[in-house]
Amino acid sequence: GQSLEQPSEVTAVEGAIVQINCTYQTSGFYGLSWYQQHDGGAPTFLSYNALDGLEETGRFSSFLSRSDSYGYLLLQELQMKDSASYFCAVSSGSARQLTFGSGTQLTVLP
Amino acid sequence: KAGVTQTPRYLIKTRGQQVTLSCSPISGHRSVSWYQQTPGQGLQFLFEYFSETQRNKGNFPGRFSGRQFSNSRSEMNVSTLELGDSALYLCASSLEGQANYGYTFGSGTRLTVV
Repeated sequence: GQSLEQPSEVTAVEGAIVQINCTYQTSGFYGLSWYQQHDGGAPTFLSYNALDGLEETGRFSSFLSRSDSYGYLLLQELQMKDSASYFCAVSSGSARQLTFGSGTQLTVLP
Repeated sequence: KAGVTQTPRYLIKTRGQQVTLSCSPISGHRSVSWYQQTPGQGLQFLFEYFSETQRNKGNFPGRFSGRQFSNSRSEMNVSTLELGDSALYLCASSLEGQANYGYTFGSGTRLTVV
């Protein structure tokens, strides 16, 4: 089966940089995705990494190391609105099904 | 373009009843996936439909079922409701069911079983 590990909570101050790690175990790996979900809201897609390396999208960057089964989401210049849950998800198997981790609750303090 | 629409937004049901939830994907998207979300559990995959066929199924009992219509709209049904079925049910649409362009989620149906 598949398993994903990510920290349950992370706290940082406004303007800081925070890294949310994700390690996974799966067979037939295709890629690692990140989603953001605010309280009461729908998860929204942030990024997808299929190859090793860093992908940058504005203040957010995502990294993947396939050999280490590890990835992270990097959030820079934190803003209060970044307070949310962040989920990593692996795409794997013949159907490339998306399997989510349990989520990391990020709290940004003023 | 219109997003993913889930109806109803809220439901309260009694144990033993059954419930049907609806999801209208983004126009042109042929894949609809369903997830159950409970506090601390993340999103648990229920099943995926693509072009009216169930393409993948998660580890849920047979009380959970679904279907997809020719216009890609999808429904999921839960029979003989249990208290533990109380959760937020999310559907996600994508063009072909592949993750690289991201799934678009609806706002969910919050089901409470009493």
